[in-house]
Amino acid sequence: GNSVTQMEGPVTLSEEAFLTINCTYTATGYPSLFWYVQYPGEGLQLLLKATKADDKGSNKGFEATYRKETTSFHLEKGSVQVSDSAVYFCALWKTSYDKVIFGPGTSLSVIP
Amino acid sequence: DTGVSQDPRHKITKRGQNVTFRCDPISEHNRLYWYRQTLGQGPEFLTYFQNEAQLEKSRLLSDRFSAERPKGSFSTLEIQRTEQGDSAMYLCASALWTGVDEQYFGPGTRLTVT
Repeated sequence: GNSVTQMEGPVTLSEEAFLTINCTYTATGYPSLFWYVQYPGEGLQLLLKATKADDKGSNKGFEATYRKETTSFHLEKGSVQVSDSAVYFCALWKTSYDKVIFGPGTSLSVIP
Repeated sequence: DTGVSQDPRHKITKRGQNVTFRCDPISEHNRLYWYRQTLGQGPEFLTYFQNEAQLEKSRLLSDRFSAERPKGSFSTLEIQRTEQGDSAMYLCASALWTGVDEQYFGPGTRLTVT
């Protein structure tokens, strides 16, 4: 079936460190891929998306590239800030499945 | 655009009571989704509407759960005879169907069943 796997957290980084959160998916065909972010006490916000192979989604300094050959959509940021502390969810969506499937989330804490 | 709103934000109830949650989507969005999120997990799909039609329900949605979207605008999710296992965050999301489902989430309703 369709599923999303993420690296386990929590991840703790110092401010200005490089961030990678791994995400791999299982799905047939070409799903759309998303990263959502959930700040403490808030709902999920769409961070970025990619809808076809080799697309790169980017927003607020975060990037992720849709890799069909490795079924991956890793999230990266060159220099994290304390304000990036949140839970990050990788997700996929397919027309035939018609719902978003979320990974378990990865908690990120950035310390000054 | 005021975003997706949910009411109440928090609900504490005793086991066996009924509860109802409301979601107001972004006004021009025709799709509305309900999810359940437990601690440390990603959201799990419960059901969704396109306009007023309920198109799919998850097996997670037992007979005690019912959702409506009577006029294709706001939606309600009712849980009858609540159980402690129903304690979770209930999230609503809306989307404007354009071929890719880009969903916008509300802040959620946190339910605690004692």
